[in-house]
Amino acid sequence: SQQGEEDPQALSIQEGENATMNCSYKTSINNLQWYRQNSGRGLVHLILIRSNEREKHSGRLRVTLDTSKKSSSLLITASRAADTASYFCATDGDTDKLIFGTGTRLQVFP
Amino acid sequence: GAGVSQTPSNKVTEKGKYVELRCDPISGHTALYWYRQSLGQGPEFLIYFQGTGAADDSGLPNDRFFAVRPEGSVSTLKIQRTERGDSAVYLCASSLERASVNEQFFGPGTRLTVL
Repeated sequence: SQQGEEDPQALSIQEGENATMNCSYKTSINNLQWYRQNSGRGLVHLILIRSNEREKHSGRLRVTLDTSKKSSSLLITASRAADTASYFCATDGDTDKLIFGTGTRLQVFP
Repeated sequence: GAGVSQTPSNKVTEKGKYVELRCDPISGHTALYWYRQSLGQGPEFLIYFQGTGAADDSGLPNDRFFAVRPEGSVSTLKIQRTERGDSAVYLCASSLERASVNEQFFGPGTRLTVL
């Protein structure tokens, strides 16, 4: 079963624009992670935010977490064609395993 | 250093056959995870090993699925009497400890096709 849902399911933007993806989840968590997946194969970890954190930055990535609303957002600033991929949020649901959302497919046009 | 590797990268089999999928985690990673990903979906948790033991196998869909990690490193996911619905990409990941405190490092996956 999927823990969360990403919104939107698909997003198309031009290079240089910002991309915002949202994630909602259902249970309490210790942390929330964002992953990127190219061409349907291995996932790459982007950023981890703990339940007691509200915002975190890594390069062009900005992640926010609102535990009262059980939601998170991933912002990619100044997007590039190479950012084209699927993006997933994953939560631990206060367990030792990760539960992934359904993903947002981002297309960045040059 | 080497990342997580999975073999084979692609496996085509016939309905009813037995298959084994292999995962080599990053050296020193005690936690190992198997996921299954269907087209257009996120990875779905199958089983988690801490060392040699299965700490959580609640995601295995039925008793046709079994996984082992006898020496605490390489893991094999075994599927008996395969069905067409088993077709998916099977992903393996490892982490230093538990997923809740560490990022997971994923392998490239094995694409299983059951005809």
